[in-house]
Amino acid sequence: QKEVEQNSGPLSVPEGAIASLNCTYSDRGSQSFFWYRQYSGKSPELIMSIYSNGDKEDGRFTAQLNKASQYVSLLIRDSQPSDSATYLCAVLNSGGYQKVTFGTGTKLQVIP
Amino acid sequence: GAVVSQHPSWVICKSGTSVKIECRSLDFQATTMFWYRQFPKQSLMLMATSNEGSKATYEQGVEKDKFLINHASLTLSTLTVTSAHPEDSSFYICSATPTTRSYEQYFGPGTRLTVT
Repeated sequence: QKEVEQNSGPLSVPEGAIASLNCTYSDRGSQSFFWYRQYSGKSPELIMSIYSNGDKEDGRFTAQLNKASQYVSLLIRDSQPSDSATYLCAVLNSGGYQKVTFGTGTKLQVIP
Repeated sequence: GAVVSQHPSWVICKSGTSVKIECRSLDFQATTMFWYRQFPKQSLMLMATSNEGSKATYEQGVEKDKFLINHASLTLSTLTVTSAHPEDSSFYICSATPTTRSYEQYFGPGTRLTVT
């Protein structure tokens, strides 16, 4: 059973602060990792993908990957109230078939 | 780019009837489409994976005769909930992977199904 673990939160940060979201996964052969944002009542939206160890930056978002530790994180700089949502970590399963395992998500609340 | 649409966005039907949900990739061709179900305050649950022209692969515990999936083209997949019951009420979401970026899934806006 491939697993993706996230702290459910809520994670509360003040506006303008850095929000740090973490994720661990069990499938050691996984090579592709994703962060999705899901607003309440809406479908997930892909915000970041990362495939190599290290950092990947896109605007206010930075994804970090450490395959040796089986750990993925997402940093959101200058957090805004509009960032308040549930963030889903997703891992592409090794072994083909393009199936992705999703974590249960971390709820982020940005306090104005 | 990578826009996925779903229709209808919400539907109410009576118990025992069937409902068809369409999922379209609007600006790309999709190698694979996925169907998920999400209950309130729960995570996504993968129901099935479909490739164009092939039979869908259903996850364990998902009744293939109840949830009929047709993937007729590289831009269209349909999910038909047959003989719907109140316990089938849920948020159904499709996703699609572009042929050019086959690891990334792009989600449709979802269909909220209520069975009365």
